[in-house]
Amino acid sequence: NAGVMQNPRHLVRRRGQEARLRCSPMKGHSHVYWYRQLPEEGLKFMVYLQKENIIDESGMPKERFSAEFPKEGPSILRIQQVVRGDSAAYFCASSKDQLQPQHFGDGTRLSIL
Amino acid sequence: DAKTTQPNSMESNEEEPVHLPCNHSTISGTDYIHWYRQLPSQGPEYVIHGLTSNVNNRMASLAIAEDRKSSTLILHRATLRDAAVYYCILRDLNYGGSQGNLIFGKGTKLSVKP
Repeated sequence: NAGVMQNPRHLVRRRGQEARLRCSPMKGHSHVYWYRQLPEEGLKFMVYLQKENIIDESGMPKERFSAEFPKEGPSILRIQQVVRGDSAAYFCASSKDQLQPQHFGDGTRLSIL
Repeated sequence: DAKTTQPNSMESNEEEPVHLPCNHSTISGTDYIHWYRQLPSQGPEYVIHGLTSNVNNRMASLAIAEDRKSSTLILHRATLRDAAVYYCILRDLNYGGSQGNLIFGKGTKLSVKP
């Protein structure tokens, strides 16, 4: 079974550009979570989605950030008008349901020039 | 924020057992104890979880104190590949629909010496 797939692994953007991060969950998983990890820090929860629905976005900044998990295709984390402070590793995880362990991808490392 | 307390770092020798402690004095009756680890440049990896009884799987063992206020992750024979940051996380069984996220603290950075 393929694990959680994230792409790209590395993404470089200039200030003001848009960043799109993709996450394909494990087969059979309909719950997706996005986390952000700043250098030398632990992971911080951003948003929790279940097919076409945002369940919890309490950890996501109100401006410039959005997430979706369409009926077909991967989950997308979108950051508009990126700033230097957005530089971080962004991890996606998936699970069969809320009670099951979460399986993580290897992340997308976003660098803002 | 995370409701667990772990040492910042620990050292172990290769092929020796490792006991990683976690204190969770405010644990509730419906909190499961989960352990994840994160190897360098990788995403976190699920290790093990339990509620009241000790648990074993192919990766590790989880020993839970009788009062559930502390637990210990046991790696029976450490290898160089076990060098990682280990996170002890509480997850409430009664999610109420929206609390699916994991709350990561700073974890314990385990170093394994050859």
